[in-house]
Amino acid sequence: QSVLTQPPSVSGAAGQRVTISCTGGSSNIGAGFDVHWYQQLAGTAPKLLIFANNNRPSGVPDRISGSKSGTSASLAITGLQAEDEAVYYCQSYDTSLNGVIFGGGTKLTVL
Amino acid sequence: QVQLQESGPGLVEPSETLSLTCTVPGDPIRSHYWGWIRQPPGREPEWIGYIYYSGSTNYRPSLKSRVTISLDTSKNQFSLSLTSMTAADTAVYYCVRSIFLRFDSWGQGIPVTVSS
Repeated sequence: QSVLTQPPSVSGAAGQRVTISCTGGSSNIGAGFDVHWYQQLAGTAPKLLIFANNNRPSGVPDRISGSKSGTSASLAITGLQAEDEAVYYCQSYDTSLNGVIFGGGTKLTVL
Repeated sequence: QVQLQESGPGLVEPSETLSLTCTVPGDPIRSHYWGWIRQPPGREPEWIGYIYYSGSTNYRPSLKSRVTISLDTSKNQFSLSLTSMTAADTAVYYCVRSIFLRFDSWGQGIPVTVSS
């Protein structure tokens, strides 16, 4: 059971918008620690997609965005494309566990 | 981003020690934090620990008694040592660069199986 809770799967038609939630608690997201998002394509290493809640590394398109509020964060992808099909992980830091934590991952299927 | 490359054995016997090395070409290791993350089959990534060029370290509490991360600045490399390996340690091991508790560069990963 991950400290950060994500839905196991989401899906959307090509061109549509999807959101992926990441729910934490008072010792991680709620304590003010940043949330970061990663995309993992099949058979590859995770890739940083969003850092510090809502910032995109260079090369990440602006149809991908992040937000954070209270003890939760969200990743939004608009204009879904086939190449967005992947597993997405949120990540933060937890003071009770004294370490970095990852969500359980959400598999995005593009219909 | 930088290109990281893990090296080491893909098979370790139970109770033995895993030793992995990460090479960091082109980015002086005397900056940033450098660390290791593993991903068991079908599971989410699991942070192992990181080291700063000063030598300060931070390890996952559940692994702290078994893990050591070290730097070799002369070779621009850092290493992972994990003792008393069991089947539960079977995973893909990634070396990473850490900036403000996020991981912006990852190696391609090295699968490690614990089996006799």
